[in-house]
Amino acid sequence: AQSVTQPDIHITVSEGASLELRCNYSYGATPYLFWYVQSPGQGLQLLLKYFSGDTLVQGIKGFEAEFKRSQSSFNLRKPSVHWSDAAEYFCAASGGYNKLIFGAGTRLAVHP
Amino acid sequence: EAQVTQNPRYLITVTGKKLTVTCSQNMNHEYMSWYRQDPGLGLRQIYYSMNVEVTDKGDVPEGYKVSRKEKRNFPLILESPSPNQTSLYFCASSFHRGQDEQYFGPGTRLTVT
Repeated sequence: AQSVTQPDIHITVSEGASLELRCNYSYGATPYLFWYVQSPGQGLQLLLKYFSGDTLVQGIKGFEAEFKRSQSSFNLRKPSVHWSDAAEYFCAASGGYNKLIFGAGTRLAVHP
Repeated sequence: EAQVTQNPRYLITVTGKKLTVTCSQNMNHEYMSWYRQDPGLGLRQIYYSMNVEVTDKGDVPEGYKVSRKEKRNFPLILESPSPNQTSLYFCASSFHRGQDEQYFGPGTRLTVT
């Protein structure tokens, strides 16, 4: 069955530290991959997406993600976290026209 | 401003009382979808629509209905709500397909007692 797994439910980092959020997918073929961010009380906003080509994808707010086919992973990274990055982050995958499958989310807390 | 709007934002109701959550987008998007968000489960798709009068079930359609009579509107109908439908609901739209970037509404928090 198609699935997206985010192994970390909750992560806490210090402001200025680097960040990596993990995402693994299980699909028959390489799906389209996305990272969304949900700030408290808000809807979801797209950070970045991977369809094909360069496996290192740049997004908004200084985020990037790397697609690794051999590991079925699409991890999100940021070199230096800001307090405003505290939010919930969702990895999602789409293998067809209609369905977007989300991971359970990783809640990020940032210590000053 | 390009946006997806949902109403109401908050709703408390009782078991069995029919309700409708409206969703509207002003981007002329063909694809629209409803999700529910529950702790530890992420977002799960309820229904989606590829265009006017074209709708299909997502992963958790039981207890919900939708309609797409106009391109901009995609209401979610709960004909007989039950407590297990207490959740945070999101409407989303994209230009053409589900794998295009989806634009999300602000969410509707529904409580069924």
